[in-house]
Amino acid sequence: KNEVEQSPQNLTAQEGEFITINCSYSVGISALHWLQQHPGGGIVSLFMLSSGKKKHGRLIATINIQEKHSSLHITASHPRDSAVYICAVSPRHEYMNRDDKIIFGKGTRLHILP
Amino acid sequence: EAQVTQNPRYLITVTGKKLTVTCSQNMNHEYMSWYRQDPGLGLRQIYYSMNVEVTDKGDVPEGYKVSRKEKRNFPLILESPSPNQTSLYFCASSRGTSGADTQYFGPGTRLTVL
Repeated sequence: KNEVEQSPQNLTAQEGEFITINCSYSVGISALHWLQQHPGGGIVSLFMLSSGKKKHGRLIATINIQEKHSSLHITASHPRDSAVYICAVSPRHEYMNRDDKIIFGKGTRLHILP
Repeated sequence: EAQVTQNPRYLITVTGKKLTVTCSQNMNHEYMSWYRQDPGLGLRQIYYSMNVEVTDKGDVPEGYKVSRKEKRNFPLILESPSPNQTSLYFCASSRGTSGADTQYFGPGTRLTVL
């Protein structure tokens, strides 16, 4: 079983729709990352969060530590939002209090139609 | 401009011919890491470094070596490349000494081993 699971794997929506991408993880973590990979291949960090909610423009990320679940929302989606969205976690080592590794989900491919 | 650079961007080589992919960052970041991305498997961590002269294995270190002699550089060495190392490779860096910090990615290196 993967330690980081994303759903859906693929999502096609019309321009303007509200988008939700989900991420569940099975380990204790120090932080959760949301990344965006453009069609050209470049990867940028959208959010890093360890609790609550963060907002940047039309993007909102939430995390529920108790339920080990995070969501990425896109409001008023636009074709330029078409990309692969990747969830990643920094696991907290149970005994050594280390969080030096990063584990990735397999990504959600989003396609927004004009 | 703050950035992570990788060279080469594209490389086609043959089995067994040693190669090095360079990674350099100009942000004085402590943490650097190498990832490979494969279809259906997503991103996986190869090696990471929390500081100069401190490196550790990620999830898929077999067949790779790294070194961190200077803070800004973190080369990835394939001593004897094999076809199963054909992949898209990303280097990334972050300010802190752990994975629980915003990651800045290089543009990627597409490697083909024949």
